[in-house]
Amino acid sequence: KQEVTQIPAALSVPEGENLVLNCSFTDSAIYNLQWFRQDPGKGLTSLLLIQSSQREQTSGRLNASLDKSSGRSTLYIAASQPGDSATYLCAVSGGGSNYKLTFGKGTLLTVNP
Amino acid sequence: SAVISQKPSRDICQRGTSLTIQCQVDSQVTMMFWYRQQPGQSLTLIATANQGSEATYESGFVIDKFPISRPNLTFSTLTVSNLSPEDSSIYLCSVRPGRLTRANYGYTFGSGTRLTVV
Repeated sequence: KQEVTQIPAALSVPEGENLVLNCSFTDSAIYNLQWFRQDPGKGLTSLLLIQSSQREQTSGRLNASLDKSSGRSTLYIAASQPGDSATYLCAVSGGGSNYKLTFGKGTLLTVNP
Repeated sequence: SAVISQKPSRDICQRGTSLTIQCQVDSQVTMMFWYRQQPGQSLTLIATANQGSEATYESGFVIDKFPISRPNLTFSTLTVSNLSPEDSSIYLCSVRPGRLTRANYGYTFGSGTRLTVV
């Protein structure tokens, strides 16, 4: 059974700092890994999708990497802003009958002005 | 990627009543997924909704409590029945366009329904 772990559970940083969120998964037989952002009481916004054949994806100040063999992904946020404050969720999905998403518990990020 | 309209965004319901949540997708999708997010927790899959057949429920979730309809390829409803305070959660629908065996597309989520049971 796939398990996804996110470290740290919470992170508080001053505005402008670069930061890294970590995600690990136990079964390396994944099709893709997705990073989401969730604002309090809201739905999920997809940030980045990394397919299993890819090493990284970039969108603006965000960069996500994937090391499938070691079961790890990182989300790098450059020059953090107060508007980045949210919960960041990592999720993986497999192929065939394992297409369902398995989520980590998330990292609560607070960026202080 | 697909765009999902989820309604209502929030509701406060009395114990013992039911709430029906709707999700409308702007494109045809084979499967729609319904999740529950209890306070302070991550997402838990309730069921997978297939058009033209019964929904497939995950362990711990039953059709009598969470009936699902999927009348066509762009629409689904989730009903949370016989509400109790323990049902207070955020409920989300999700889709992934394209064939499920292809890795090219990510999952898209609705904006969520925040349910409070009093």
